Amino acid sequence: EIVMTQSPATLSVSPGERATLSCRASQSVSSNLAWFQQKPGQAPRLLIFGASTRATGIPARFSGSGSGTEFTLTISSLQSEDFAVYYCQQYSNWRTFGQGTKVEIE
Amino acid sequence: EVQLVETGGDLLQPGGSLRLACAASGFTVSSNYMSWVRQAPGKGLEWVSVTNPDGNTNYADSVKGRFTISRDNSKNTLYLQMNSLRGEDTAVYYCARDLNLWGQGTLVTVSS
Repeated sequence: EIVMTQSPATLSVSPGERATLSCRASQSVSSNLAWFQQKPGQAPRLLIFGASTRATGIPARFSGSGSGTEFTLTISSLQSEDFAVYYCQQYSNWRTFGQGTKVEIE
Repeated sequence: EVQLVETGGDLLQPGGSLRLACAASGFTVSSNYMSWVRQAPGKGLEWVSVTNPDGNTNYADSVKGRFTISRDNSKNTLYLQMNSLRGEDTAVYYCARDLNLWGQGTLVTVSS
């Protein structure tokens, strides 16, 4: 089983600032990595797939990078609606989620 | 409209069984990777099971041997049969098509 580790667990950021979230895989997943956003009471929403491709309708302030075992989600200028929990998921070998990063208002 | 609708969530006792259903519309279940994902109260997302277009299946270690994923192509519906339920199986269960389409979830509560 591929283990996905996200850091930090919580990220405190002011609106307008940049947020950088990390995700590490226990073995290479190539570019088979997705990022999801989840708000309370809602289903997850796909942001990024293929490590760096934005899903339909996702604003350009969201960007993904990395390959192999190290991945990053960057939100260039946080908007009020971006405060949420973010999960990475590998789909190279079936599926595994990271434990999530909560982005909160500083 | 392309959507997934989960049903079947309930309150039941430990050791019990339950079958969740996920009805799809606007696309064909059998042509896609279909997953079940759960989220315990206040916790993160946990992938539970997946089936691919070839009919291959896989399960998280936490449910292996107790849960079975299946699909009924005539009803365009995905199922999750859950047996020997435990308190730690309490969660909202989501079905998902590949990465980009999720249902609204159905709550399963296992408690005596």
